[in-house]
Amino acid sequence: QQPVQSPQAVILREGEDAVINCSSSKALYSVHWYRQKHGEAPVFLMILLKGGEQKGHDKISASFNEKKQQSSLYLTASQLSYSGTYFCGTDRSGNTGKLIFGQGTTLQVKP
Amino acid sequence: KAGVTQTPRYLIKTRGQQVTLSCSPISGHRSVSWYQQTPGQGLQFLFEYFSETQRNKGNFPGRFSGRQFSNSRSEMNVSTLELGDSALYLCASSLRTLGDGYTFGSGTRLTVV
Repeated sequence: QQPVQSPQAVILREGEDAVINCSSSKALYSVHWYRQKHGEAPVFLMILLKGGEQKGHDKISASFNEKKQQSSLYLTASQLSYSGTYFCGTDRSGNTGKLIFGQGTTLQVKP
Repeated sequence: KAGVTQTPRYLIKTRGQQVTLSCSPISGHRSVSWYQQTPGQGLQFLFEYFSETQRNKGNFPGRFSGRQFSNSRSEMNVSTLELGDSALYLCASSLRTLGDGYTFGSGTRLTVV
């Protein structure tokens, strides 16, 4: 079952913050986050493992609540380079060879 | 280090034909996963190969098949092409250990006419 991402799209001004959510109807073992710019390959941002944790680097961080079966990606003080489509990928079994991706959230950062 | 290499980048085929796509993973990565990306369906998992064995399979018809060679390079084959097979096909390689993410290739854009 595909996880549900919200919102589907968001437009920001530089310096504003955004939150992207990823919800699953099934229990999750881990959640990956990727960003894809138009015409390019998805790029790995971070992974969160079962056990409930929060991670971050630079101004992008994420949390994983395994009880609620959801993860959130936080982008603070957004930059133009943050524009792109963000995907969460879910792993339900710890089988690290298969990810089910959400439908994506398109983020546009304007000057 | 070299990234994930997919060839060809673009392909135009006619309905009913078959096609083979290639993916060379990052050196040392033995897991290769394949995904189909379309505007309507997003990223859909096709299959994953690890150490020359298919370990996971998505919900695609048997026309979609793959294999992996001893050097970890992988190929994906689609037989009897249909118009709906037009998509960006992405492969991703990984170490297949907890905590590691995937590195995606730039994809092969397949157009079926």
